[in-house]
Amino acid sequence: RKEVEQDPGPFNVPEGATVAFNCTYSNSASQSFFWYRQDCRKEPKLLMSVYSSGNEDGRFTAQLNRASQYISLLIRDSKLSDSATYLCVVRRWGKLTFGQGTILTVHP
Amino acid sequence: DTEVTQTPKHLVMGMTNKKSLKCEQHMGHRAMYWYKQKAKKPPELMFVYSYEKLSINESVPSRFSPECPNSSLLNLHLHALQPEDSALYLCASSHPGQTGVNYGYTFGSGTRLTVV
Repeated sequence: RKEVEQDPGPFNVPEGATVAFNCTYSNSASQSFFWYRQDCRKEPKLLMSVYSSGNEDGRFTAQLNRASQYISLLIRDSKLSDSATYLCVVRRWGKLTFGQGTILTVHP
Repeated sequence: DTEVTQTPKHLVMGMTNKKSLKCEQHMGHRAMYWYKQKAKKPPELMFVYSYEKLSINESVPSRFSPECPNSSLLNLHLHALQPEDSALYLCASSHPGQTGVNYGYTFGSGTRLTVV
């Protein structure tokens, strides 16, 4: 079983749609959790950290459920510029482990 | 602009060449990393340096040799690579270990390596 598993998509949604990504992790000793965004042929960039209390940054909401080892990302009012690969990432003892990524395409 | 700078951006090398990838950060981070990313795959960890000491080697072949001359610099020396080593090589930095447990990494823009 992979340490971090994501719904691979791809997701193809119209502008203005709401889209949700899911992720599970296998190691209960994982310490911290993130969503990264990666554009084609670019480096991954930190989108947001994820906390059990849930956190929101504009149109983006992330949630962590430690009991079920589940991480989610919700994007509201999708923009064309949201098109990218979204990577679920888990940190344990200084090591980041990436999920396979979910491809999102937002179309007009 | 990224705060982690990698050079060169592109590199083509033969299987008998020796080359080096360079990475520099000035964010005061004391942990630095090398990741390898193949097309349509997520980044995979190669090496971790914490306080300028190698702390993790993910069973990387010896044709890849990392070096951390100081807290701001990280090199990856390449020798006798194979065509399957062609990939995007990403450098990253962060606060190390428990100190930075809630902090993500900052990645450089990468070196796109082609081995011919």
